[in-house]
Amino acid sequence: AQKITQTQPGMFVQEKEAVTLDCTYDTSDPSYGLFWYKQPSSGEMIFLIYQGSYDQQNATEGRYSLNFQKARKSANLVISASQLGDSAMYFCAMKASGSRLTFGEGTQLTVNP
Amino acid sequence: NAGVTQTPKFQVLKTGQSMTLQCAQDMNHEYMSWYRQDPGMGLRLIHYSVGAGITDQGEVPNGYNVSRSTTEDFPLRLLSAAPSQTSVYFCASSYRLGSGQPQHFGDGTRLSIL
Repeated sequence: AQKITQTQPGMFVQEKEAVTLDCTYDTSDPSYGLFWYKQPSSGEMIFLIYQGSYDQQNATEGRYSLNFQKARKSANLVISASQLGDSAMYFCAMKASGSRLTFGEGTQLTVNP
Repeated sequence: NAGVTQTPKFQVLKTGQSMTLQCAQDMNHEYMSWYRQDPGMGLRLIHYSVGAGITDQGEVPNGYNVSRSTTEDFPLRLLSAAPSQTSVYFCASSYRLGSGQPQHFGDGTRLSIL
């Protein structure tokens, strides 16, 4: 069975600071992929970043980076230089065996001015 | 450049009514899926399809039917609406699932069952 756990229901960060959103996963498959999505208050789902289980380096996309620790089964999202527009719900998701994408319950990030 | 289009955006139904949520994509994606999102929760997979003519159940399939007669369309049918099906429904598509291929999401359908 696949499981994604996001233990932080809510996080607060000051504008221009960095913030880490936690994600741990559970799978017995050696091949898997991890995704992060952003959902602003308007409701749409926006893809942010992807990490494959065999990728040698941590993924980065602009201000987003993924701190991938395979032995700990964690894939934390790091947002650098937070902006007010980063306030949103953030979801971690995993695709392991089969054709299913499993989502965590999300973390609500609030960026304070 | 439409991407994934869901209709309607909002719908109110009475218990026992049936309806179809429409989903269409113009990116020639093989993989399509339907999720529901309940307040304070992540997305849960209802049904998915890996290509035309092929569908399978996800995590919460009861009360829903799907079909995939074309690559572009993947409608979700509620057979007999129940208040427990009040939710936001998202359709998503990708060329394949995984291997760095992100899913493209529609804007969602907000469904209320009275």
